[in-house]
Amino acid sequence: QSALTQPASVSGSPGQSITIFCTGTRSDVGGYNYVSWFQQHPGKAPKLMIYEVTNRPSGISDRFSGSKSGNTASLTISGLQAEDEADYYCSSYTSRGTYAFGTGTMVTVL
Amino acid sequence: EVQLVESGEGLVQPGGPLRLSCEASGFTFGSYWMHWVRQFPGKGLVWVARLSDDGTRATYADSVEGRFTITRDNAKNMLFLQMSSLRVEDTAVYYCVRAAATISFRLDVWGPGTTVTVSS
Repeated sequence: QSALTQPASVSGSPGQSITIFCTGTRSDVGGYNYVSWFQQHPGKAPKLMIYEVTNRPSGISDRFSGSKSGNTASLTISGLQAEDEADYYCSSYTSRGTYAFGTGTMVTVL
Repeated sequence: EVQLVESGEGLVQPGGPLRLSCEASGFTFGSYWMHWVRQFPGKGLVWVARLSDDGTRATYADSVEGRFTITRDNAKNMLFLQMSSLRVEDTAVYYCVRAAATISFRLDVWGPGTTVTVSS
């Protein structure tokens, strides 16, 4: 299973908005509305932030939003806060019945 | 409290076996599909395997197919990952994860992870 492509790093100032892109293929991101996003702080387990492209689990701030266009999914963090500094991973169900994660993006709050 | 706790951490020689366990609590374990996800040192996340709620349907990543087996005991609220023919490249932190939906990668509860080190 090939990893989905994400930028290595994205940064922004407090209060700004940033967007992380996740590029796959028609066999994964483009073929299904089963894209999830996870946040991971150093030394901690990942945390589900978005599922099925646009849905937020209970308790997740509405500053986090997801979308998809073609083979590319995106996670937008608005009103960036210091606590948002973490690694973010996209993921998708694939046509082979397996799952792929993205390469990961380190978000830095300047 | 909904919780997953992995165990079975260890150092094993290449070619050897190791069994990871995951104890679930605070929810009806037998109603959920479960996954194992691993994270290589300093690297990203990699999906390993998935098992249906009744334990009859398993799917594996190509890299572990034929070497790893995911099973569960719903009566004891336990998930397992039997690993054999371990390779140095299997060294990672292994997470036990609950899926809130069957196909959707809605992995809503994660364990803290357990470390597997394969080295001679």
